[in-house]
Amino acid sequence: AQSVAQPEDQVNVAEGNPLTVKCTYSVSGNPYLFWYVQYPNRGLQFLLKYITGDNLVKGSYGFEAEFNKSQTSFHLKKPSALVSDSALYFCAVRGQAGNTPLVFGKGTRLSVIA
Amino acid sequence: GAVVSQHPSRVICKSGTSVKIECRSLDFQATTMFWYRQFPKQSLMLMATSNEGSKATYEQGVEKDKFLINHASLTLSTLTVTSAHPEDSSFYICSAREETNSGANVLTFGAGSRLTVL
Repeated sequence: AQSVAQPEDQVNVAEGNPLTVKCTYSVSGNPYLFWYVQYPNRGLQFLLKYITGDNLVKGSYGFEAEFNKSQTSFHLKKPSALVSDSALYFCAVRGQAGNTPLVFGKGTRLSVIA
Repeated sequence: GAVVSQHPSRVICKSGTSVKIECRSLDFQATTMFWYRQFPKQSLMLMATSNEGSKATYEQGVEKDKFLINHASLTLSTLTVTSAHPEDSSFYICSAREETNSGANVLTFGAGSRLTVL
């Protein structure tokens, strides 16, 4: 069965500092990995995805994530945080076989303090 | 880019009534749509996979007679919460994946529908 773990409920970071939101996954075979962001009372917005190829994936709003197969991780990073980055971040995984649904982590709330 | 429209964004109803939520893919066709439920401060729980022209596939623990899903066209799926009760109050989010040759297509999400049952 597919699963995603986001070990931190909350991440606090000062504006201008680098940020990391952690994610590890479990899936049969090779994964498709995604990060989504959710603002209050809104749906989810796509940030970036890993399919294959380069392990470092760059996405929207200056975010990037690094796929690490040996550690089954896909941590989200940004070199310099903005207050406007404060939101709820979800990591998600699906297997490459068939039309499998996307499975989400429980989410990590990022708070960037000015 | 792909856009998914969800309506209504907010609905308040009395206990015992039924509520219908619509999910539309505006600029692409989606043979499959997904319905999620999100409780406060919790992750998204997949409720069911909506398949155009066939029955929806429900996740374990989700009552199919309670949450009726209809996917009558390639651009519209509906979720009807029947005989709603206060415990059904939640944030319901639909999503769709644009069909292309790539298996890693991004899910596009609707803005969500907040249901409050009094």
